Amino acid sequence: DQQVKQNSPSLSVQEGRISILNCDYTNSMFDYFLWYKKYPAEGPTFLISISSIKDKNEDGRFTVFLNKSAKHLSLHIVPSQPGDSAVYFCASYPGGGADGLTFGKGTHLIIQP
Amino acid sequence: KAGVTQTPRYLIKTRGQQVTLSCSPISGHRSVSWYQQTPGQGLQFLFEYFSETQRNKGNFPGRFSGRQFSNSRSEMNVSTLELGDSALYLCASSHRGGMPGELFFGEGSRLTVL
Repeated sequence: DQQVKQNSPSLSVQEGRISILNCDYTNSMFDYFLWYKKYPAEGPTFLISISSIKDKNEDGRFTVFLNKSAKHLSLHIVPSQPGDSAVYFCASYPGGGADGLTFGKGTHLIIQP
Repeated sequence: KAGVTQTPRYLIKTRGQQVTLSCSPISGHRSVSWYQQTPGQGLQFLFEYFSETQRNKGNFPGRFSGRQFSNSRSEMNVSTLELGDSALYLCASSHRGGMPGELFFGEGSRLTVL
């Protein structure tokens, strides 16, 4: 049973446009949600996170939105740049020193010139 | 500051063998966790260590084990290897006071089981 789902394995976006990556979760007890970015042959790197008590968090070109009633979060990248081409993982963290991160299977974002 | 270092980067084993993977966390980070990445299952949590104690464990069989040393370096071991153990094994470290859930990953050890 997947607790964190990323339903789009890949997404292609034109450079300069907005990229929107989506993630759904099933467990309402998660305290934090995070996005990680992964380039080939490298480990994932932390991108941005949001606490379950908030509905939006911004960091430069990256904004994460959380809709608790729909159990849905999204990552917006504006404007998209070629260096944004990577696999993006959505993850949940229960907090309180409990189990590790639960990751989605990732979305491969391709930025077209 | 050096990042998380994992060795070996690549290795090939045969079914039934065992393997030990090593991880050196970022200096000052006392928590080390391990994840398995496969194409079918994505990234899955194996276990987490803090101050030489296993704090949490994911849903993996007992063939998967680990330990942490007093210098925070960690090893994980997989015994009686199966074909399905072929994966990228990622180690990550974190520190108190960091963002909740923020992990610093190494580049991984890619294990192929033949």
